[in-house]
Amino acid sequence: NAGVTQTPKFQVLKTGQSMTLQCAQDMNHNSMYWYRQDPGMGLRLIYYSASEGTTDKGEVPNGYNVSRLNKREFSLRLESAAPSQTSVYFCASTEGAGANVLTFGAGSRLTVL
Amino acid sequence: GENVEQHPSTLSVQEGDSAVIKCTYSDSASNYFPWYKQELGKRPQLIIDIRSNVGEKKDQRIAVTLNKTAKHFSLHITETQPEDSAVYFCAANLFKAAGNKLTFGGGTRVLVKP
Repeated sequence: NAGVTQTPKFQVLKTGQSMTLQCAQDMNHNSMYWYRQDPGMGLRLIYYSASEGTTDKGEVPNGYNVSRLNKREFSLRLESAAPSQTSVYFCASTEGAGANVLTFGAGSRLTVL
Repeated sequence: GENVEQHPSTLSVQEGDSAVIKCTYSDSASNYFPWYKQELGKRPQLIIDIRSNVGEKKDQRIAVTLNKTAKHFSLHITETQPEDSAVYFCAANLFKAAGNKLTFGGGTRVLVKP
């Protein structure tokens, strides 16, 4: 099993460009999450999907949109990238149904110039 | 919402010594407190967690203590080894069946000097 797979691993964008980060898990988990990691600020939740067909905002949703395409896939879209969105993005999943352990993907490093 | 503060931000210890990281949380309803370890360039991974009905939990050289009255919890690493060098994150939330909205602390970079 691959666990949680994110693509791309690295991306450089210009201000105003758009892009989509892809995430897929093969563990039959119900819940999926997108976090961003910035130095000294820990991991901050952008959006999450408690189950297929639902999405909710986290702490820092502004400038992002998400799609829970099916049970396996949860994508994060930046419609008009800004330098403040330069960060490392992590997708994660949990079984749901009482399980709390987050399984993270390898991360995607995004630089917005 | 929940707010988690973590101290210190960096911690340097001699191999074999103990390391202690402390976190405070704001929401008294929170009842689940995990700790994640992130090695350089890697993804975070759970190392230990505790529920609010327990005051202390141990797993080999690591232990977590929880004081619900004071709203703080701590990670203790004994007999530190070079492989303990990493960034450690505490987190807190209200345990639910799904949609686990963990709030993380800012992280502690631990360096174990041989």
